[in-house]
This record gives sequence, structure tokens and C-alpha cells, in this order.
Amino acid sequence: QLQLQESGPGLVKPSETLSLTCTVSGDSINNSSFYWGWIRQPPGKGLEWVGSIYYSGNTYYNPSLKSRVTISVDTSKNQFSLRLTSVTAADTAVYYCARTTVTFDYWGQGTLVTVSS
Amino acid sequence: DIQMTQSPSTLSASVGDRVTITCRASQSISNWLAWYQQKPGKVPKLLIYRASNLEDGVPSRFSGSGSGTEFTLTISSLQPDDFATYYCQQYNSYWTFGQGTKVEIK
Repeated sequence: QLQLQESGPGLVKPSETLSLTCTVSGDSINNSSFYWGWIRQPPGKGLEWVGSIYYSGNTYYNPSLKSRVTISVDTSKNQFSLRLTSVTAADTAVYYCARTTVTFDYWGQGTLVTVSS
Repeated sequence: DIQMTQSPSTLSASVGDRVTITCRASQSISNWLAWYQQKPGKVPKLLIYRASNLEDGVPSRFSGSGSGTEFTLTISSLQPDDFATYYCQQYNSYWTFGQGTKVEIK
């Protein structure tokens, strides 16, 4: 059974860097059939795709966030990670990791990251 | 960038009603469209992929149609478990979600 689990700080200060990791179990992140992605949802608002990565390291970012986002993969740990720099209150959201083909078919439970001093 | 616009933003309906949600793409996306259901505090659930294909385990009262720039999600007879927010998502060029449609009790 595929499972994804987000981990990382729940509180980040403005102007600092948000860092999250998604640990995948039940499937290899090297599986060439899939991408692995991050989606976020501000409180009370809709879903926003942040970016996705292929096991080879090819990355795809939301153009509106591209200048601040880096997604990387660690195949030895079966993990992929998100870094978002220069955060503001507008980056406060539940961050989900998900397995991606053309749809997001398996999701982590999500982790709330609050940007506040 | 491809923008996805859903209508209405909120829909009030009763159990047993037929419900239709529309999603429009800013440019043609062929049939590269999915629909998700999300309940408060829960993870989004994939309902439909490639515009009209039902994901395994999704009740047959859900159906999707459309191609190009206009798509619909229909619930043929609304059930109590269906009160939720629904999102469309395109995957013709990267991935983009619509803003969501909340289906609430009338």
C-alpha cells in the first residue's frame, strides 16, 4: 500500500526558507511511471500546484513560484523535498505531497506550515 | 499558463438533486482533465480522470464530460456524502487546479 508522509517545521519566520520532506513507502521513487509533486492549500482556500519532480531529477515548477522553489529527490532514502525561499504570510498553507501521473492519485495527509514571526 | 475557471463557486442543493459543475480552460486541453472531491480537513480524492473516466471505487452517480475548453462534472442524484468541495485540474501543460465549487445543503 503506497503511503506518503510529509515532515518538516510547522512554523517558519518571514523571509526565511520553508523546507519539507516527503517520505514514500510502498513504492520506489525510482518508478519511471510517476512524478512526485507538491500541492498547497492556504487555510479556507483552494488547491495550488507548487511543483513536481521525476526520479531522474527533472523538475517542473508553478511559474508563479518558480523563482523561489526548489524540489529535489533522494532515491537512496525514497524521499523528495521542497524548499521555498523568502516566505511571507501568503505562503501559510497545508502542504501536501502526492504521487503524480497526469493526476494526483495518492496524497500525503498534509502538513500545516505557518509563516509568522 | 493555462487558467481553469469553475462555476458556480457555491451551489446549494438537496439530497436527490441532479448537480452539474462546469470547468472552463483558458485554452484547449483536449481531455486532459481530472475532478477531485475534498471534504473539510481531508485530503482531496480523485474522482474522474481524462475528463470522463471514473476512478476505481467512485460511485456511478458521478460522471464527467467535455473536451477542449469546456467540461462538466455531474452528480446524478446527490447523496449526503457528496456535500463537499469539488476541484477540476488540467494536465495538458503542467498542472493547474480550478478555484473549487462548494456543494452545500439547501
